[in-house]
Amino acid sequence: DAGVIQSPRHEVTEMGQEVTLRCKPISGHDYLFWYRQTMMRGLELLIYFNNNVPIDDSGMPEDRFSAKMPNASFSTLKIQPSEPRDSAVYFCASSLDLSGYTFGSGTRLTVV
Amino acid sequence: DQQVKQNSPSLSVQEGRISILNCDYTNSMFDYFLWYKKYPAEGPTFLISISSIKDKNEDGRFTVFLNKSAKHLSLHIVPSQPGDSAVYFCAAADSGYALNFGKGTSLLVTP
Repeated sequence: DAGVIQSPRHEVTEMGQEVTLRCKPISGHDYLFWYRQTMMRGLELLIYFNNNVPIDDSGMPEDRFSAKMPNASFSTLKIQPSEPRDSAVYFCASSLDLSGYTFGSGTRLTVV
Repeated sequence: DQQVKQNSPSLSVQEGRISILNCDYTNSMFDYFLWYKKYPAEGPTFLISISSIKDKNEDGRFTVFLNKSAKHLSLHIVPSQPGDSAVYFCAAADSGYALNFGKGTSLLVTP
């Protein structure tokens, strides 16, 4: 298996633009997580899905953030409009169980 | 509010010596604890875990200790090697499943 695949690896965008981050989880994993890493807050959970259904989105910072999982093999995290404070590394992870979180390589987002 | 705290942002240890990374948590409902290791430009990878029914778990050079009364856990690496230089994240979970992570501790092992 290729692991959790995220795209793009790097994204630079102007403030106000829409940004879409993509994730392909490991086949057979029922859980998918979106985390954001910043120096100030470390790794913070944004949202997670179980069997394509959003379970907890309390970590989504604002209405500007939205996430979807239309099928078991694909998820998106969208920011519209983007702001400079959204600059961070965004990680997607999938899992079967607690010890099996597998993270993607992350998307480094820079909003200028 | 951070429920998992790693109060040391960085740690430097000589090769061959012991590295001790510390983690505190505030939520008494947490019953499963994990350590992840992260290299630059990569995602975190699972290192070792411990259930709340245990106070110690060992895997090769890595040992995690859990003190439930103090709500504290630590990761011991012995002997430390230069390849251990990375950011280490402490994580905890309750029955709600999603992991709560600390801010991470950057470990540098010098030759």
